[in-house]
Parts: sequence; structure tokens; C-alpha cells
Amino acid sequence: QVQLVQSGAEVKKPGASVKVSCKASGYTFTDYAIHWVRQAPGQRLEWMGWINAGNGVTKYSQKFQDRVTITRDTSASAAYMELGILRSEDTAVYYCAREHSGYYQPEIWGQGTMVTVSS
Amino acid sequence: QSALTQPASVSGSPGQSITISCTGTSSDVGRYDYVSWYQQHPGKAPRLMIYGVTNRPSGVSNRFSGSKSGSTASLTISGLQAEDEADYYCSSYTSSSTWVFGGGTKLTVL
Repeated sequence: QVQLVQSGAEVKKPGASVKVSCKASGYTFTDYAIHWVRQAPGQRLEWMGWINAGNGVTKYSQKFQDRVTITRDTSASAAYMELGILRSEDTAVYYCAREHSGYYQPEIWGQGTMVTVSS
Repeated sequence: QSALTQPASVSGSPGQSITISCTGTSSDVGRYDYVSWYQQHPGKAPRLMIYGVTNRPSGVSNRFSGSKSGSTASLTISGLQAEDEADYYCSSYTSSSTWVFGGGTKLTVL
């Protein structure tokens, strides 16, 4: 079955960067885009960006444009989200999600990765 | 891109129907039929309940239905059950080629 498995929890200091991985299985990785969405504690879902896993083209939310990089490794069927210049407000659960075929919106979600930014 | 507007909370008794609204603009909800709804239980990842405004993924109960009028989309849950108690989020594609979520609605089953 289609599954997205993310890397484990991270604790980072302010100013550092974090890279979260998302390994896909159960489908042809390059046929679908991968979204990245985050959720701070008690807060709403926030879309960060996405990558076309086939050609590597990305699009980012204006809010994160200057600090986020989304990449993919087709040989590993994995996508990555790197967020730099971390601050305490970046403490959140980060999710990857595969797009829905035909409608493009997030459909199949990973389990989430907790990133804590603390000095 | 501002978040889509949802009521903070709604409630209903078992067996009743409730509707959650999601208001956007002519640049997102009003322009595209790429509106989706997600259910999220505490500590869990979101689950897609409605996509393309009105479509249900396989495995989602037909008690869940979606609609749209102008720049406002709606999620209706009929025959409320205790397990429906969760947070619900709408989402839409935007004219900036990005996606935006709503602020979320907490559904309480009384």
C-alpha cells in the first residue's frame, strides 16, 4: 500500500537548520508531487511548498521562500525538506504528503516529524 | 496568502447534521475546484475526507459531503457519531500556484 515514512524527531538550536526526509513506497515515486505542511503546537496546518518528484520543479509559500529548500532523490524514492535559520516559532510537526492524482491536493500523509527549536 | 476563514468551533448531538464553512477569495476558493477537507484527531496526521469540492476518497463514509458556492466551501456531516469529534481543515489551490489551509474548526459531539 502507499506509504510515506518520515525521519525521526529533531532538536535544534536557534539559527541552525534541519533536514527532514520522507521515504515513499507502494507507488511510482516520480508520478506524484510531494507537499510539505507544518503544524505548530495547537495551531493550524500551514502549507510550505511542494516538489514535482518527476522533474524536481518546486514551488514555495512566500512565507518560507527564503529559508526552505525541498529536494528529492528518485533513486531512493525520497523527498527532503530543509529549513534554515531556525527560530523558536519553527517548533512544529512537519508532514510530507503525496498529492492526489488529478486534483493535486495532499492525499496520503506521512506520520509527521517533530522539530523542536530551543536554546 | 491569508488563511481561509473557518469557524473556530461547531457542535452537534449524535445523529444530527452539522455544516462547517470555509470562506476564501476570488483568488482561491472562488476560482478553483481544488478544495479539500481534512479530519485530524489529536496527535494524528490529517486524513483527506473530501477532494475536488465534492468527491470522497475510497473508505470515507457517505455521511461526509462537500459543496461550494462562490468563494465559500462547506463540509456537511450527517448522522453525527462520536468518532467524528476532531479538528477539520479546508484547503484550496490559489492563483499564486500555492496551497492554503483554513484556520481549522473543532467539532464537538455533545
